[in-house]
Amino acid sequence: QKEVEQNSGPLSVPEGAIASLNCTYSDRVSQSFFWYRQYSGKSPELIMSIYSNGDKEDGRFTAQLNKASQYVSLLIRDSQPSDSATYLCAVHTGFQKLVFGTGTRLLVSP
Amino acid sequence: GAVVSQHPSRVICKSGTSVKIECRSLDFQATTMFWYRQFPKQSLMLMATSNEGSKATYEQGVEKDKFLINHASLTLSTLTVTSAHPEDSSFYICSARGIIHTDTQYFGPGTRLTVL
Repeated sequence: QKEVEQNSGPLSVPEGAIASLNCTYSDRVSQSFFWYRQYSGKSPELIMSIYSNGDKEDGRFTAQLNKASQYVSLLIRDSQPSDSATYLCAVHTGFQKLVFGTGTRLLVSP
Repeated sequence: GAVVSQHPSRVICKSGTSVKIECRSLDFQATTMFWYRQFPKQSLMLMATSNEGSKATYEQGVEKDKFLINHASLTLSTLTVTSAHPEDSSFYICSARGIIHTDTQYFGPGTRLTVL
């Protein structure tokens, strides 16, 4: 079992819709979770971090964490074509490292 | 804040040569930096953890003699790919650990290495 799992996609949504990206992790002791956005040929850019169960909102982005289910998600409201990118879920492990999922490719069509 | 730079952004070299990549934290001191490698359509793979003033910690399967890491100051870490071969062609990305939230990493823009 991979430490961090994501559906590779692509996830296609029309402009203005809500995009829902999901991630599961295997290490129960993980306490910190991150979503990064990566455009093709570029390095990852931090979007959000979440540490507690529940929802955390930042503009059009909402991160959701459920530690009991070992599940993290990212919702993007009012999706824009500029949101088209690969979204990486990352989990901070007990060894002071970030473990990344393989990413979900999001395509937002005009 | 939390800006990380890398140089060069792109390098093409001949097989057998060595290439040095610099990673700098521009507006904060980074006691710990990380070096990742990303092959096309794959996720980031941690190569090594670089601690200022001490030896780097390499991940399993990463040759420490091939990928030399030096973290001589609180704002600079370097990765040298020695005797590069075509299979070393990849996107190399460094990151620096945040100060307030030390579990947060801020990434540099990456270096695209092509070995002919």
